[in-house]
This record gives sequence, structure tokens and C-alpha cells, in this order.
Amino acid sequence: QQQVKQSPQSLIVQKGGISIINCAYENTAFDYFPWYQQFPGKGPALLIAIRPDVSEKKEGRFTISFNKSAKQFSLHIMDSQPGDSATYFCAASKGGKAAGNKLTFGGGTRVLVKP
Amino acid sequence: NAGVTQTPKFQVLKTGQSMTLQCAQDMNHEYMSWYRQDPGMGLRLIHYSVGAGITDQGEVPNGYNVSRSTTEDFPLRLLSAAPSQTSVYFCASSPSSSRGYTFGSGTRLTVV
Repeated sequence: QQQVKQSPQSLIVQKGGISIINCAYENTAFDYFPWYQQFPGKGPALLIAIRPDVSEKKEGRFTISFNKSAKQFSLHIMDSQPGDSATYFCAASKGGKAAGNKLTFGGGTRVLVKP
Repeated sequence: NAGVTQTPKFQVLKTGQSMTLQCAQDMNHEYMSWYRQDPGMGLRLIHYSVGAGITDQGEVPNGYNVSRSTTEDFPLRLLSAAPSQTSVYFCASSPSSSRGYTFGSGTRLTVV
């Protein structure tokens, strides 16, 4: 059962454009929603994260939008740069030691920013 | 402060062999996890730990064992390697519940 669905699988954007990646989740107990960035041959790195009590969080050119009622969240990369070319993963977890703080990942989106 | 260190970086095993993937973190993180990454499958949780001496199964635990005798170390053991275990393995740690995980650089394992 895939609890976090991510789309699109890949996207190409021109330098300076906006990249948008969407994720939908099923488990309403999830209370932490991070995004990870992964470059080839490297481990995923935490990019930005949000909790369900806020609808938007911005860090530099990266923004998460969160829609609790629709059980969806998205990553927007503004003014996309060639250095942003990477694979992006959304994830979700449920807090508390009993839940194990386990991350459930989406399938990933490969982003290519053309100069 | 080295973060999460995984060894080896690359490994080739023959079917039926056993081995241990090492993972160590120096951040005194309470939570640790092992994931495998396969093309088109994202990252899938193998085993996780919420503290020293406490481990549990994730989504794809079959064929793998873990132990957590110290806060720092969380080794992953492949009992009898199979070609289906060819993958990239990532270890990760987190300081507390609902906080971001720090990932290691991965171990690329090929089973022939």
C-alpha cells in the first residue's frame, strides 16, 4: 500500500522557471511532512519540512504548500537554477516513540533545469 | 562531526553469502533507520530503531537483521544474499520524533 503518492515522476523546467511537485497522503495520523533533495551518488538531504498546523512554509526559493483537508502538499521551486537539477522526494511520518518516527516516502521526481 | 557514516561504499556478493553493512552516527541521535533505494521504487524502510536495544521491522524486513547495542551504531546484516537484494542501502538518524533524518552516503550492493 503506497501511502504517499508523488507526481510527476519527472519534469523539465527552464532556468528561472517554477518547478512544482505534488504529493498526496492517505494516513491522517501523519504529522510531519519533509522534502528531501538527492543528487546522483549521494544520500537524500533534508530540504524543507512542514507540520499540518500551517498552510505554507518558505525557505529561500523553496516553498511547501499544505492542504490538510485534501491531504495534499506540494513543493514549489521558484527561479529554478541548473544546480537544482536533482531528484526530490516527499515524505510523511507520525510522531511519537510508539509510531517509531518512520518516514514513508513518495516515489520521487527527477527535476532537470535547462540553462 | 562526521554525521552518518556508512561502510563499505560498494560491495559485490555472491548469492548465499552473508555480510554486515555498517552504520555509525556521532550526533547522539535517538532514532536510526535503514532504507533501500531501487529505481522507480523510492526509498523503502527495512528496519528501524527508537533507541539503544530497541529495534523493529519496517516495510521490507525479510532477509535482513539489525541490532542496536549502542546509540551510535546500527549495523544491517544480510543473512543469505539474494539477487533481489541488489540495491543502494541508506542509513539515517534523527534526534527526536517528527524531526528530519540525516542520511549517510549509501552502500551500493550487487548480488551476483
